Amino acid sequence: DTGVSQNPRHKITKRGQNVTFRCDPISEHNRLYWYRQTLGQGPEFLTYFQNEAQLEKSRLLSDRFSAERPKGSFSTLEIQRTEQGDSAMYLCASSFSGHNNEQFFGPGTRLTVL
Amino acid sequence: DQQVKQNSPSLSVQEGRISILNCDYTNSMFDYFLWYKKYPAEGPTFLISISSIKDKNEDGRFTVFLNKSAKHLSLHIVPSQPGDSAVYFCAARATTSGTYKYIFGTGTRLKVLA
Repeated sequence: DTGVSQNPRHKITKRGQNVTFRCDPISEHNRLYWYRQTLGQGPEFLTYFQNEAQLEKSRLLSDRFSAERPKGSFSTLEIQRTEQGDSAMYLCASSFSGHNNEQFFGPGTRLTVL
Repeated sequence: DQQVKQNSPSLSVQEGRISILNCDYTNSMFDYFLWYKKYPAEGPTFLISISSIKDKNEDGRFTVFLNKSAKHLSLHIVPSQPGDSAVYFCAARATTSGTYKYIFGTGTRLKVLA
């Protein structure tokens, strides 16, 4: 399977705990994106990387959120001290740099904070 | 501030007829637009895109129209099939602003009736 993969697919945690999600992009893609999606909404941009450099981060992203892409391949998204409002689907997407290259999305990680 | 708007949350169409999904945007710097389809429990799947230098792009049953003066794009599906039933998102990017992040609309749920 050469698509974008995300792990875990589901995560249930208690408020205050830390969680970490992983995204493996399509191998030749140098851009990697993280989005959050809640019910009835479209994907909301969180951050994106080009290779290992984090080029942009949403102003909506609190300091409890951090993302890394240490070797320009897979990426991790960590949420510290989770809150119930963090419950959402977290989507990862990748693309190859170029003006008109579309993003390919993974299946997402559904987070439930109790 | 919702820069990309899909004002119709749902649409029902008879099989074989045309489906028209609409999207409006406010940022005149957007120069690349995409449509995605999303089934439950899956990530969005790319359908079709259009650059701001064009006003129409076709791919099989799918055609996207862009009206820059009205800041409006639409996706036409002809003929509609039951398998097209899904949530459709439009997304936009402002590459000339030096960013490769995408802004998504809230989605339109299409139901194609057999």
